Amino acid sequence: KAGVTQTPRYLIKTRGQQVTLSCSPISGHRSVSWYQQTPGQGLQFLFEYFSETQRNKGNFPGRFSGRQFSNSRSEMNVSTLELGDSALYLCASSWQDRVGGYEQYFGPGTRLTVT
Amino acid sequence: LAKTTQPISMDSYEGQEVNITCSHNNIATNDYITWYQQFPSQGPRFIIQGYKTKVTNEVASLFIPADRKSSTLSLPRVSLSDTAVYYCLVSGGFKTIFGAGTRLFVKA
Repeated sequence: KAGVTQTPRYLIKTRGQQVTLSCSPISGHRSVSWYQQTPGQGLQFLFEYFSETQRNKGNFPGRFSGRQFSNSRSEMNVSTLELGDSALYLCASSWQDRVGGYEQYFGPGTRLTVT
Repeated sequence: LAKTTQPISMDSYEGQEVNITCSHNNIATNDYITWYQQFPSQGPRFIIQGYKTKVTNEVASLFIPADRKSSTLSLPRVSLSDTAVYYCLVSGGFKTIFGAGTRLFVKA
């Protein structure tokens, strides 16, 4: 079974631009979560989607948004990029059909550099 | 959501058993405890998950006392390739909070 795929793997953008990252979950997984990882803040939860609905959101500004399509693929968008948005963005998928215990499968991430 | 506290780093030698303890004093009734492993420039990889008592799989064991305020990940006979960051986290309500992680360095 193919793992979680993320595109693109690397991206360089300029301050003020916007960016869209894509995530394809493992076949059959309906939940997709997004995380931001930086050396200073570690792994931070952005949001989680299940069956095209955002179920939970982390403490990030409104510039960070996402969506999920009917085939469970997900995109996240960051508008008006800032230097501090430079990070590794990770996507994780899971069955997540119950609260609490679930196993997430992470993709390789998209390395975003904002100059 | 419960915050987790782990040692920042640990050193070990090949062939030794490594135990990493995590504190999660405010764990909720519905929360599960999960451990992930992460190598540089890769996404975290699931190791093991438990709710109470002891869980064992082919790579690790997880010990959870009755009060569930802490947990211990046990890695038997580590090798150089086990050098990585290990995250303890609690998950509940469809939201996962990662702590700072423990950087394990295995020496030859």
